[in-house]
Amino acid sequence: NAGVTQTPKFRVLKTGQSMTLLCAQDMNHEYMYWYRQDPGMGLRLIHYSVGEGTTAKGEVPDGYNVSRLKKQNFLLGLESAAPSQTSVYFCASSYGGTSGGVSYNEQFFGPGTRLTVL
Amino acid sequence: GEDVEQSLFLSVREGDSSVINCTYTDSSSTYLYWYKQEPGAGLQLLTYIFSNMDMKQDQRLTVLLNKKDKHLSLRIADTQTGDSAIYFCAESRRGRGSTLGRLYFGRGTQLTVWP
Repeated sequence: NAGVTQTPKFRVLKTGQSMTLLCAQDMNHEYMYWYRQDPGMGLRLIHYSVGEGTTAKGEVPDGYNVSRLKKQNFLLGLESAAPSQTSVYFCASSYGGTSGGVSYNEQFFGPGTRLTVL
Repeated sequence: GEDVEQSLFLSVREGDSSVINCTYTDSSSTYLYWYKQEPGAGLQLLTYIFSNMDMKQDQRLTVLLNKKDKHLSLRIADTQTGDSAIYFCAESRRGRGSTLGRLYFGRGTQLTVWP
């Protein structure tokens, strides 16, 4: 199993350009997440999905869109990139199962995409 | 507060013990996790503890949970240079307003191990 993979690994954009980051998982997980990581800020949740065809906003959704057309893929789009979106982006997935309202939510992370917006 | 809190930096000498502390927010949180991030890589689960436990030991790792103070700690015995990484504390919240499936992360503690 490859686990969680992300493409591309690195990208440099000019302000105003658009791009799509692809995340794929082969663990049949229901839940998928996009985070950004900035120095001293930890991980901040951008958007997430609790199943195929569903998406929801996280803490910092502005400037990003997502789609989950297939269960195994979660796409993160930047329509008009800004220098403030320079960051490392991580995708994660989890089983999302619950038992009696108690959920073990180990999230499996991809290796990250390092994005620079000039 | 709303944030999971951790100190940002910790330096230890090789062979010493490291203790990384975390304060979480939801007294009804079910699971608490420690993730490790090595340079240039994604996060990997190091260990976790269920909220009805006070301690969990796994080889060189010891997790202590104080539910009254909402305090979690990770002790690494005989710390090695390969343990240098960022360590994240995370909680699965169960309280009102929490989102099932979501983890809430601290900002991470950068552990530096000196030879």
